[in-house]
Amino acid sequence: DVKVTQSSRYLVKRTGEKVFLECVQDMDHENMFWYRQDPGLGLRLIYFSYDVKMKEKGDIPEGYSVSREKKERFSLILESASTNQTSMYLCASTTTGGPYEQYFGPGTRLTVT
Amino acid sequence: RKEVEQDPGPFNVPEGATVAFNCTYSNSASQSFFWYRQDCRKEPKLLMSVYSSGNEDGRFTAQLNRASQYISLLIRDSKLSDSATYLCVVSWNNDMRFGAGTRLTVKP
Repeated sequence: DVKVTQSSRYLVKRTGEKVFLECVQDMDHENMFWYRQDPGLGLRLIYFSYDVKMKEKGDIPEGYSVSREKKERFSLILESASTNQTSMYLCASTTTGGPYEQYFGPGTRLTVT
Repeated sequence: RKEVEQDPGPFNVPEGATVAFNCTYSNSASQSFFWYRQDCRKEPKLLMSVYSSGNEDGRFTAQLNRASQYISLLIRDSKLSDSATYLCVVSWNNDMRFGAGTRLTVKP
């Protein structure tokens, strides 16, 4: 059974803080994704990675960066958190050659005050 | 125009009812189509893929209309446990686009 885990379910940070969100998958998937989900807007892709040390910008990369040093781990970094980054953050992974089913982590609800 | 559009609902139906959702997409080059289900405060999970000829999985039927660029999901004999948000997903060149979801509540 595929498992995607995220480091925190709920997080509260102050404006200007640096925030790290971690995602780990155990299925040896090549592709990993970071989305944010906001009411009425659906899931929007922030960044994705198709291999270790590779990254590609999604639709809304501004204010975010990512790191993929190991195949199973994909980190999302908010360099200087702002209130408009308050959202649900979802990590997903899938194998290559698709599109195949994306397996999601449980999500991190981030509040920036 | 959004790339993938869904009626947000909510759809409130009694147990046993049949309910249908539509989803329209803007990119005529779209290649793959899916329905995901998302329970409250949970992550999305794949419900079913949508094939060109239409496909059925138990009480769920998915259809694709390429000419009109929409996909549909039909749920028969609704159960309380079907209450969730249903996300339409459209893919082209391995780029997946999610709709904002349609919320369904099945009432006793």
